[in-house]
Amino acid sequence: DVKVTQSSRYLVKRTGEKVFLECVQDMDHENMFWYRQDPGLGLRLIYFSYDVKMKEKGDIPEGYSVSREKKERFSLILESASTNQTSMYLCASSTPTGILNYTFGSGTRLTVV
Amino acid sequence: AQSVTQLDSQVPVFEEAPVELRCNYSSSVSVYLFWYVQYPNQGLQLLLKYLSGSTLVKGINGFEAEFNKSQTSFHLRKPSVHISDTAEYFCAVSRGINNNDMRFGAGTRLTVKP
Repeated sequence: DVKVTQSSRYLVKRTGEKVFLECVQDMDHENMFWYRQDPGLGLRLIYFSYDVKMKEKGDIPEGYSVSREKKERFSLILESASTNQTSMYLCASSTPTGILNYTFGSGTRLTVV
Repeated sequence: AQSVTQLDSQVPVFEEAPVELRCNYSSSVSVYLFWYVQYPNQGLQLLLKYLSGSTLVKGINGFEAEFNKSQTSFHLRKPSVHISDTAEYFCAVSRGINNNDMRFGAGTRLTVKP
């Protein structure tokens, strides 16, 4: 069964900490995405990557960065966590013509205190 | 850029009743349309998609949706819901094959009551 795996289901971090959210896919997909999900706002795209070491900003990149050193792994980094970054974070992956196989992970619920 | 509006944030319904979850989109170009479902503590799963062809699209779990270009709508329907359909449903739109362009609605929480 193909999978997108997010390493943590729940995380609690302190304001100002550097936070890493990890995502791994086993489908050899080229594209990977990070979204945040907030009530009433749906999913908003933070960053995406269409190849190793490549990244593009989404709609809300401020306060975030990403890293893609290997094809299967896409990391979201909060350089200095703030309380307004408390949210559900969803990772997804797809092939380049990926409308038919856009696969999501189960999400990481991050609380910044 | 395209955008998606889900007209109802919450829809409560009794088991075995019909349901319609409404979605409108705005785009100046042709689009691809999707409905995703998110069960508690899970990621999103694709329910159905409209790419081209017949405007009535059938998906998994007995859901279907109708693409209406003149009304820019893509409403999701099921004739008889089950308790297990309780979940959050997201409408999404993409202008192209490269789905880094995909945009999601705010979601509709469907609650099916016994």
